[in-house]
Amino acid sequence: EAGVAQSPRYKIIEKRQSVAFWCNPISGHATLYWYQQILGQGPKLLIQFQNNGVVDDSQLPKDRFSAERLKGVDSTLKIQPAKLEDSAVYLCASRGTGGYNEQFFGPGTRLTVL
Amino acid sequence: GDSVTQMEGPVTLSEEAFLTINCTYTATGYPSLFWYVQYPGEGLQLLLKATKADDKGSNKGFEATYRKETTSFHLEKGSVQVSDSAVYFCALRINFNKFYFGSGTKLNVKP
Repeated sequence: EAGVAQSPRYKIIEKRQSVAFWCNPISGHATLYWYQQILGQGPKLLIQFQNNGVVDDSQLPKDRFSAERLKGVDSTLKIQPAKLEDSAVYLCASRGTGGYNEQFFGPGTRLTVL
Repeated sequence: GDSVTQMEGPVTLSEEAFLTINCTYTATGYPSLFWYVQYPGEGLQLLLKATKADDKGSNKGFEATYRKETTSFHLEKGSVQVSDSAVYFCALRINFNKFYFGSGTKLNVKP
C-alpha cells in the first residue's frame, strides 16, 4: 500500500513570495490533515478535511494560508505572502474511516523563508 | 483547552538503560492517546496507542498505560538500544477527530 505522498520535499523562498504544497493521501482515506511543525515543536493542526469538506480550520491563518481538497482526494496548501515565521515543515496526514483508525503521515515539505 | 505536556529533552541514556518519557494531558472530551516516533530523516510513525482508561499500548518493547486518574500516558522501555534514538511525540485525539501533539522529546542512546 502506497503511503502519503508530498511534494516538493524542500522549498526555499523569499518573504512575501507565494508557495504551494501538494499532498496525495492513501487511497480511500476520507480524512486529510495539514500540520505545521516548527523546529523544536510538535505538529500543530492547520486544517482538517473530511472528503472535500473542511472539518476544522480554526488554527489556519486565513489571511495568508489557504487549502483545498478538490474531489476529496489530493490537497494543496498555499501561503501567500510568506513570512519569515512560516519557516517550518508542513506535514500532510490521512486517516481512514472508523473511529479508531490511525493517521499516517507523509514525509513533509521543509519550507525556508529568507 | 485540550493539550499535551511532555518532558523536555534531550534525554541521553546508555544502551540497555531503562527509559521513561513523561506525558500528561488535559482533555475536555474522551481522548485516545498516542505515542509517535520520528527517526532521523524520516516522517512521523505511530508507535503505540490506547483508546480508553487503563488500556496499555505496546510495540517494539515500548509500553504506555492510559491513566485517567493522573491524566498521564508515560512511555517506558526496559532496555533501550542505539536504534531507538529518535524524537518521541505524545498526542491525544478528541472525539475521534482532532489531534493535539506535545512538543517532542529527543532521545539519544549511546553504545
